Parts: sequence; C-alpha cells; structure tokens
Amino acid sequence: SQKIEQNSEALNIQEGKTATLTCNYTNYSPAYLQWYRQDPGRGPVFLLLIRENEKEKRKERLKVTFDTTLKQSLFHITASQPADSATYLCAYNQGGKLIFGQGTELSVKP
Amino acid sequence: DAGVIQSPRHEVTEMGQEVTLRCKLISGHNSLFWYRQTMMRGLELLIYFNNNVPIDDSGMPEDRFSAKMPNASFSTLKIQPSEPRDSAVYFCASSQSGFMNTEAFFGQGTRLTVV
Repeated sequence: SQKIEQNSEALNIQEGKTATLTCNYTNYSPAYLQWYRQDPGRGPVFLLLIRENEKEKRKERLKVTFDTTLKQSLFHITASQPADSATYLCAYNQGGKLIFGQGTELSVKP
Repeated sequence: DAGVIQSPRHEVTEMGQEVTLRCKLISGHNSLFWYRQTMMRGLELLIYFNNNVPIDDSGMPEDRFSAKMPNASFSTLKIQPSEPRDSAVYFCASSQSGFMNTEAFFGQGTRLTVV
C-alpha cells in the first residue's frame, strides 16, 4: 500500500542553523508534494507545493526539494528562529485525496 | 472570508451518546475533507467529498461514523454511538479541486473526548 513517512523523532536545533526535515514515500509516484506547518491546538497551514518536474522550490527562508528517483522530499528552513518551532507535515495528492505523513516536530532553541 | 469554520471547538460526551461535528467551507471551494488526528496515528483521512458527493469514504472507521454534505458550504460528521476510542481532534479542510492547485485550508478542529 502507499505510504508517506516522516522522521518521527523530534528535531532540536540551535537558532540560526538550518533545519532539514525528510519525507519519504513508497509504492506511489505523486505528481506533487505539499508541506504544512501545524502549531499546538491549531489546524495545519499550507506552506509550499512542489511538482514532480521541479527539483527545488523556495519561499523566503524555506526551501523544498523533490527527488523522484529517491522518492524523497527535503524541507529546509535556513537561519532558523524559535518562532519556527512547530510540527511540519508533508502530504501528497492521490486523485483528489490529500494524504499526510505523521509529521516531524521541530524545536529551535535560542 | 473567515476561513473554514468548525463547531464545536471542544466536545465532551459520554460513551453511547450521539456526537455531531459541523464544518463550514470557504466560499467557492468544492472539495471537503474530514480528518482525525491522534498522537498514535497522526492525521488520518476519513472521507473526501467533491461537489457535495462523497468520493472516498474508505477511511471511515466503521458504521458508527457517517458524514453528509447537504449543500455546497456545509458538512456534518456524526458518530453514533460514540466510544472512548473515538477521542481525538477532528479537522475538516476545504480546497478548490483542480489538477495542480489543491492546497487545503483547515479549520481549527474539534477536540472530542468520549468518557
């Protein structure tokens, strides 16, 4: 069956460093992937979408890559700040459905 | 637009009772998703509607769960009878369906506790 997996271990980094989160998928070839941010007690909020024919997408301090050979997407936050602390979820679209990974919790220490 | 609106925000009910969760979509959106989120299982898709029609309900746990979309802007998720294992945060999300533009907008969620 199709799976989308994220590192379930929390990621702790120092302010100013680059955070890198990983999303792997199996048994499916999505046309594009999406990344969301979720804060405690709130719904996920859309950040970026990357298509299979795009190797990289940037938005301010965020960068997403999409490697269809490795079946992997990487999500980078450069010059991280404590305000970036949240859970980040990747998702792919299968037909009309949006399927999410478990999410990775990021904690940025001052 | 105020975004996706869910009610209630919190619900505490006794086992065996009927629970109804409500969702108002963003105007102009034609896809509606109901998700359930728990620590153990993450964000699970329960059911997906497109143009008011249920397209995929394979994620609905069992017959105790039902969802409706009586019009283009409103949906309900009903659990009858409720059980303690149904305790979770339930989210609805809406989007404009299209080939590449399917970013989803989520509501604030309903935290359900069944005791």
